[in-house]
Amino acid sequence: DIQMTQSPSSLSASVGDRVTITCRASQGISNYLAWYQQKPGKVPKLLIYAASTLQSGVPSRFSGSGSGTDFTLTISSLQPEDVATYYCQKYNSAPQTFGQGTRLEIK
Amino acid sequence: EVQLVESGGGLVQPGGSLRLSCAASGFTFSSYAMSWVRQAPGKGLEWVSAISGSGGSTYYADSVKGRFTISRDNSKNTLYLQMNSLRAEDTAVYYCAKGRQQLVFRDAFDIWGQGTMVTVSS
Repeated sequence: DIQMTQSPSSLSASVGDRVTITCRASQGISNYLAWYQQKPGKVPKLLIYAASTLQSGVPSRFSGSGSGTDFTLTISSLQPEDVATYYCQKYNSAPQTFGQGTRLEIK
Repeated sequence: EVQLVESGGGLVQPGGSLRLSCAASGFTFSSYAMSWVRQAPGKGLEWVSAISGSGGSTYYADSVKGRFTISRDNSKNTLYLQMNSLRAEDTAVYYCAKGRQQLVFRDAFDIWGQGTMVTVSS
């Protein structure tokens, strides 16, 4: 099975910072990659699908890129409400594995 | 409004069984693949199982294969997860999730239910 590895596992950044989270697949998955945001005590929310397409209603400061095995989620200007854990997920085939998550905090 | 509401969670002894339900509303249920995703306390998301819109194709994580069965009743707009031979490591919040596009199995999950807690303990 394809493994999904996120880095870093956690990070702390200041409001207004540019933040980048990476996700690496152990084999190529084309662009079948989604990013989710899960705020503490809340349900996961879809941010990006097809590696780079922003889900409707998601702020434009979020962006995604990549194809094949290497992907990134970027927050262009970190806001206090972005405190959350972020997960990547591959969905090219079953199992639709998630990364282990990246916990984002405000410095 | 598109909505998913899970039910059926609770406390069960190791080796026991439980059936989860996910009631869907606000969309043409039979046109969308559905999945179950779980999250153990303090841990990350784990994909558990998926089913095509017609119910004709099903998929499972290795950790639950042979013990869990996913199914759906499109006449009742309801998704199910039958869980047998439960283990302590199955303790988690179980979410149902909807595929983003009609008639597409390989897709991200755009709608999630609020989750139902399953605790396996003696």
